Amino acid sequence: GIQVEQSPPDLILQEGANSTLRCNFSDSVNNLQWFHQNPWGQLINLFYIPSGTKQNGRLSATTVATERYSLLYISSSQTTDSGVYFCAVVHGSGNTGKLIFGQGTTLQVKP
Amino acid sequence: DTEVTQTPKHLVMGMTNKKSLKCEQHMGHRAMYWYKQKAKKPPELMFVYSYEKLSINESVPSRFSPECPNSSLLNLHLHALQPEDSALYLCASSLQGQLAKNIQYFGAGTRLSVL
Repeated sequence: GIQVEQSPPDLILQEGANSTLRCNFSDSVNNLQWFHQNPWGQLINLFYIPSGTKQNGRLSATTVATERYSLLYISSSQTTDSGVYFCAVVHGSGNTGKLIFGQGTTLQVKP
Repeated sequence: DTEVTQTPKHLVMGMTNKKSLKCEQHMGHRAMYWYKQKAKKPPELMFVYSYEKLSINESVPSRFSPECPNSSLLNLHLHALQPEDSALYLCASSLQGQLAKNIQYFGAGTRLSVL
């Protein structure tokens, strides 16, 4: 099956710093989503980005489908950005619907 | 509104108990999913319902029994669970059945402890 690898596994930042999280996947995808899981377990949708670039406030994401990677940029980080960031993909087309998650990047933003 | 509501938020049960987890969405989504997440691990798919029919069962033990009474509601019935079943159980939904391109939206989860 498809492999999804995220890096780095852990990241500690001072408030105000910028960061880049990476997601590599081993095969073509029709769906790629970035999530933020807060300390209470809620998975919050950040981006649906199987290809191209999107921005939402301090966050932006880029997926280069032909090279099989996606990047999540966090600028001017805040303590509320702390948590686990997951990349998840669906491989293949049609009626699959099975999101495969990477292992996540645990981000800690210190005040 | 992209809200998926799960109840209860926390559940403690013994190995001989029977309990149910509930998930609701009122977004008109036609696919609903159960995921299981162990501590410090990513979520893993358990079941998918598409247009109220079970379409994917990821070889989940029979002590977990899903049910989709209508297009807005998804239940997970639990019976004779083991302590290793303690985890965060997440429900998700997507608009047009389980098509690969559909965005999945997640609830806040039920944190289950089996004693």
